[in-house]
Amino acid sequence: DAGVIQSPRHEVTEMGQEVTLRCKPISGHDYLFWYRQTMMRGLELLIYFNNNVPIDDSGMPEDRFSAKMPNASFSTLKIQPSEPRDSAVYFCASSPGTGSGYTFGSGTRLTVV
Amino acid sequence: GNSVTQMEGPVTLSEEAFLTINCTYTATGYPSLFWYVQYPGEGLQLLLKATKADDKGSNKGFEATYRKETTSFHLEKGSVQVSDSAVYFCALSALAAGNKLTFGGGTRVLVKP
Repeated sequence: DAGVIQSPRHEVTEMGQEVTLRCKPISGHDYLFWYRQTMMRGLELLIYFNNNVPIDDSGMPEDRFSAKMPNASFSTLKIQPSEPRDSAVYFCASSPGTGSGYTFGSGTRLTVV
Repeated sequence: GNSVTQMEGPVTLSEEAFLTINCTYTATGYPSLFWYVQYPGEGLQLLLKATKADDKGSNKGFEATYRKETTSFHLEKGSVQVSDSAVYFCALSALAAGNKLTFGGGTRVLVKP
């Protein structure tokens, strides 16, 4: 298994531009999670899905952030418009179920200038 | 609510020294407990886990025992290597919270040759 695949690995964009981050979970994992990691705030859960349905989006910072999971093998996190304070590493993780733990992707390092 | 507290770092050690990272938790019911490791520039990787009281998780020379009476899950390794330099995260998964993991703040470990 190739694990959780995220793209791109690095993204540099200008303030105000739209950014789309992509994630392919492990086949058969019913849960998908989006996290953001910064030095100041550590790891923050943004949103998670179960069977492609968003379950908890209380961590999404504001309306500029949106996430979709159109099918079991693909999810996107979109920021529109992006701001410098969105600069962070964004991780996607998937899980087969409660108590199993997560498998994380390698992350997307986003820099907004 | 659920919470995880782990010792603040950085922890600096010499090679072959003994490592302990303390982790205590607050949760309703009987959570599953995890340790994750994050190497520089990478995502989090599951290091070990324990699902019930007195269980011992172990992997790559690391061990942690689920202590319900002290609500703790301390991570230990008898002889660290330079390659163990990383950030270590303690986490819990409580049934009532679905499949959401609650993470500690992370402990940075630096092993010097």
